[in-house]
Amino acid sequence: DAGITQSPRHKVTETGTPVTLRCHQTENHRYMYWYRQDPGHGLRLIHYSYGVKDTDKGEVSDGYSVSRSKTEDFLLTLESATSSQTSVYFCAISVGTEAFFGQGTRLTVV
Amino acid sequence: EDQVTQSPEALRLQEGESSSLNCSYTVSGLRGLFWYRQDPGKGPEFLFTLYSAGEEKEKERLKATLTKKESFLHITAPKPEDSATYLCAVQPNTGNQFYFGTGTSLTVIP
Repeated sequence: DAGITQSPRHKVTETGTPVTLRCHQTENHRYMYWYRQDPGHGLRLIHYSYGVKDTDKGEVSDGYSVSRSKTEDFLLTLESATSSQTSVYFCAISVGTEAFFGQGTRLTVV
Repeated sequence: EDQVTQSPEALRLQEGESSSLNCSYTVSGLRGLFWYRQDPGKGPEFLFTLYSAGEEKEKERLKATLTKKESFLHITAPKPEDSATYLCAVQPNTGNQFYFGTGTSLTVIP
């Protein structure tokens, strides 16, 4: 798992509530990513980070924000969860040109 | 626009029946093409990186090849434990993002 831990692994939340997902890495890699995976869409990039406090948007960033105050932690926040954000969320790190993924967080918005 | 298309969406093979999975891509300039294996409920597991046309990589029963427009993942004499979804991704040389296809779901029947 390349030293990547995602928490929580499963979460059910109500529409309109804020939700924060955490990704923690143990090896101080510079690049970290948040993806969501949905049937028929594959893995789509939400946001990524290239250093502490350095982040950029991916292709499906609307409704999501991120923060990276420490090298090892990359947080994904849904400010006001919607049912369309029900998905499996994966964190990844980049080592050289290769990406390694965490085990995922299954989020259900009801 | 950077894009990845995988085919077929699903493939059922008898144990020992060799076949190939296809990944077609369009990218402004290719930094790398990646193959991943994903088991249900888990994160993608890195298999191979290919950098230039003509390159090949092998691992057990899997061999990945690359041309200027597509990549193939050849599976020789598959076993039931090879059943998984295989994902292809590209990284353009203009950034650090990865673009994924929707995957091929492989089932190997004993």
